[in-house]
Amino acid sequence: QVQLVQSGAEVKKPGASVKVSCKPSGHTLISYYIHWVRQAPGQGLEWMGLIDPSGGSTSYAQKFQGRLSITRDTSTSTGYMELSSLRSEDTAVYYCAVLRDNGVWYGYWGQGTLVSVSS
Amino acid sequence: EIVLTQSPGTLSLSPGERATLSCRASQSVSSSPLAWYQQKPGQAPRLLIYDASTRATGIPDRFSGSESGTDFTLTISRLEPEDFAVYYCHHYGRFPQTFGQGTKVEIK
Repeated sequence: QVQLVQSGAEVKKPGASVKVSCKPSGHTLISYYIHWVRQAPGQGLEWMGLIDPSGGSTSYAQKFQGRLSITRDTSTSTGYMELSSLRSEDTAVYYCAVLRDNGVWYGYWGQGTLVSVSS
Repeated sequence: EIVLTQSPGTLSLSPGERATLSCRASQSVSSSPLAWYQQKPGQAPRLLIYDASTRATGIPDRFSGSESGTDFTLTISRLEPEDFAVYYCHHYGRFPQTFGQGTKVEIK
């Protein structure tokens, strides 16, 4: 079993940046992507992007191009999601997820990180 | 970008009834790369189905998925009290991936 442990809640002002971390614990993951998905209050799930931790390649939703950076630290197996130029509409719970590992579906999700953007 | 349209927005049913949820893709998606998730308030999504019709580990067999062209269906054969939640479809066949807007299954 794998747990994805995310960093704690953040409160940011408009125009600032936020960086959320996601660290797998438990069994060692072999070949996987870390997805980032957000959910605004009372709204649905929104796919933001993902990273292949082994090679560092990324894919982003067009909506976030230029504002979103997904990275990883291979030494700690930690994934990061950084969103810049924050606005009030970015207030949401941000989740990381590992849906497949080595071709096997597991559907692991982090506990979510609430990011509040307010002046 | 593939747009997933879920219907209905809300489904009002009683325990024991059958629930049929639809997810329509705006373009053809090859090799059935579609998943379904269940989400309850304050919780992360839970994987139910992947590859359009394969149940995830530990998911009861009252949940089933099917596909016909660009139309995908999640069926809950007999609703249990714990099944009342919001359900999302998710396409992962190409980038960018997308989610549908969700269907809420509520108690009638």
